[in-house]
Amino acid sequence: QQPVQSPQAVILREGEDAVINCSSSKALYSVHWYRQKHGEAPVFLMILLKGGEQKGHEKISASFNEKKQQSSLYLTASQLSYSGTYFCGTAGGTSYGKLTFGQGTILTVHP
Amino acid sequence: EPEVTQTPSHQVTQMGQEVILRCVPISNHLYFYWYRQILGQKVEFLVSFYNNEISEKSEIFDDQFSVERPDGSNFTLKIRSTKLEDSAMYFCASRDSRANEKLFFGSGTQLSVL
Repeated sequence: QQPVQSPQAVILREGEDAVINCSSSKALYSVHWYRQKHGEAPVFLMILLKGGEQKGHEKISASFNEKKQQSSLYLTASQLSYSGTYFCGTAGGTSYGKLTFGQGTILTVHP
Repeated sequence: EPEVTQTPSHQVTQMGQEVILRCVPISNHLYFYWYRQILGQKVEFLVSFYNNEISEKSEIFDDQFSVERPDGSNFTLKIRSTKLEDSAMYFCASRDSRANEKLFFGSGTQLSVL
């Protein structure tokens, strides 16, 4: 089952903050976050693992609540370049690269 | 940063024709994947490939689809008899052998079936 992302869309002005959430009904082994700009490939942002390990982007933070099977991506002091569609991808076990993606959150940052 | 390369960037074909989408994964990576994205929708897993065989495949990956690593560098996705609903952006991805490492996605092949 695919994870559910919220909100579906966010509109910000430069410098504002946003939080994107990702929830799953299945037990999660890891959560991956990607950003995709129109017509381009998804670009890796962050991996969060059970046990609290994180790998990823210096300027973007995220959390992983294993009990609630939720992850949140925190975008602070947004820049125009942050615009795009954000996907969370979940892996349920040792199938590390087999990700089930959420439906995406469209983030638009205006000057 | 190393890149996954996909060719062609666009492919137009007639329904019922065979197409082969090509990918060159990052050279030291051992795990390879195909994903697809229908316009406006989420990215969907198709198949994973390791050690010259399919590791996992989704329900989408039916008998019309096949993957191959014909040599040490290329990784291909073949669709034998294309259908209108196969129209999508197809992404190749690879990762190295360590667990929990990120996927590197290629820039995609936009397949249009007419």
